[in-house]
Amino acid sequence: IAGITQAPTSQILAAGRRMTLRCTQDMRHNAMYWYRQDLGLGLRLIHYSNTAGTTGKGEVPDGYSVSRANTDDFPLTLASAVPSQTSVYFCASSEGLLSGELFFGEGSRLTVL
Amino acid sequence: SQELEQSPQSLIVQEGKNLTINCTSSKTLYGLYWYKQKYGEGLIFLMMLQKGGEEKSHEKITAKLDEKKQQSSLHITASQPSHAGIYLCGADNYGQNFVFGPGTRLSVLP
Repeated sequence: IAGITQAPTSQILAAGRRMTLRCTQDMRHNAMYWYRQDLGLGLRLIHYSNTAGTTGKGEVPDGYSVSRANTDDFPLTLASAVPSQTSVYFCASSEGLLSGELFFGEGSRLTVL
Repeated sequence: SQELEQSPQSLIVQEGKNLTINCTSSKTLYGLYWYKQKYGEGLIFLMMLQKGGEEKSHEKITAKLDEKKQQSSLHITASQPSHAGIYLCGADNYGQNFVFGPGTRLSVLP
C-alpha cells in the first residue's frame, strides 16, 4: 500500500526557476493538503483541496499554486522560486476535509539558492 | 484563528523514564490529534480525542483531553529509544483548516 507518494525527495534549484512538487495518493481520499515545515515555525498549511476541481488557500499561500484535476493528484507549483521557500514540503490527504486522520507523505526537501 | 502551543519544546530522557508532553489551545478543541514524526520523515497519526475528559491509550502512550477541551497531554510510560522523534498536536481550526502545534522534540538516551 503506497498511501501518499511525493516527488522529488529533495531538490536544489536556483532562485527564479519554476518548480513543481508532485503528490499522488491511492486511497481515493477527497481532501488533500500541502504543508511546509520550518524550524521554529512548525507545519503551516499552504493550500488545500476539498475535492477534485476545488482548491483553497491556507495560511501561507503566496508564491504557490495548486491544481486538482483528479482525485489522486495534487501538484504544488512554485512559479518563480525564492530563497525563503527553502523548506520541507509535506503533502497529506484525508477522507474528507477535516474529517480526522491525515495521512502524510515522506516530504520533499527543497533548497532555493 | 486557533493556535496550539506545546510544551516542552524539547525533551531528553533516559530510557525507561516516564514523560509528558502538553498541548494547549487558544480556543475550545473540537478534535485534537496527536502525531509523531521521525526525523526527516512524514507524520504518523497516533490518536484522536474529541470528548472532554476522554483518554486513549496505544501501547505505552496515553493521551488525555481535559474537561474544558482546551488542553491535551501525551504521556509515555517507560520510554524507549523507539519513542524518539517529534510529537505534534493538531486540531480542526473551526472548519477552516487543520492547524498544528510547533512540536516537541523527544530524545531517549539508551
